[in-house]
Amino acid sequence: EDQVTQSPEALRLQEGESSSLNCSYTVSGLRGLFWYRQDPGKGPEFLFTLYSAGEEKEKERLKATLTKKESFLHITAPKPEDSATYLCAVNTGGFKTIFGAGTRLFVKA
Amino acid sequence: DTAVSQTPKYLVTQMGNDKSIKCEQNLGHDTMYWYKQDSKKFLKIMFSYNNKELIINETVPNRFSPKSPDKAHLNLHINSLELGDSAVYFCASSQYQQGETQYFGPGTRLLVL
Repeated sequence: EDQVTQSPEALRLQEGESSSLNCSYTVSGLRGLFWYRQDPGKGPEFLFTLYSAGEEKEKERLKATLTKKESFLHITAPKPEDSATYLCAVNTGGFKTIFGAGTRLFVKA
Repeated sequence: DTAVSQTPKYLVTQMGNDKSIKCEQNLGHDTMYWYKQDSKKFLKIMFSYNNKELIINETVPNRFSPKSPDKAHLNLHINSLELGDSAVYFCASSQYQQGETQYFGPGTRLLVL
């Protein structure tokens, strides 16, 4: 069965303390891996799409990387406004996308 | 300009009632989705429509009936609401292509009393 697992469930950082979020997947075929940010009371906001192992994408303090079995979302020198839930999702082909349970990130000033 | 919009934003109703949620996208996409996010924040797909045709129906009770009048709209009608239907419902859209990014609406928070 296709599965997407995110770790840790929650992560507490001090402002400026860099870290990484993990998304591991076991799927029959990867057509795309997505990272979203979700703020309380809002819909998921698209961050990155990765399609093949070795691919990397960056946006401000965030960098997403992809291997054959997992993806990392690296956060460099985070700020309090980076606090949110980060969701990883995988498309295995067709129209179905499977989401992980998310990592709740708290950044303290 | 809102890319994916949903109405209403909040919905509080009694058990047994029937309610509808509407979704519209102005991105020109041809595929739309309904997701349910439970109290643990887990997003699970319910339905997917491509060019007004139902293509995914994920073990959802038949009390839930989606309708797509055109490519830009996907509505969700729920009959005989139950306590367990309380959740946040998200609409999303994408362009047809395997692995294409989905864009989400702001969500509809449904509370069944």
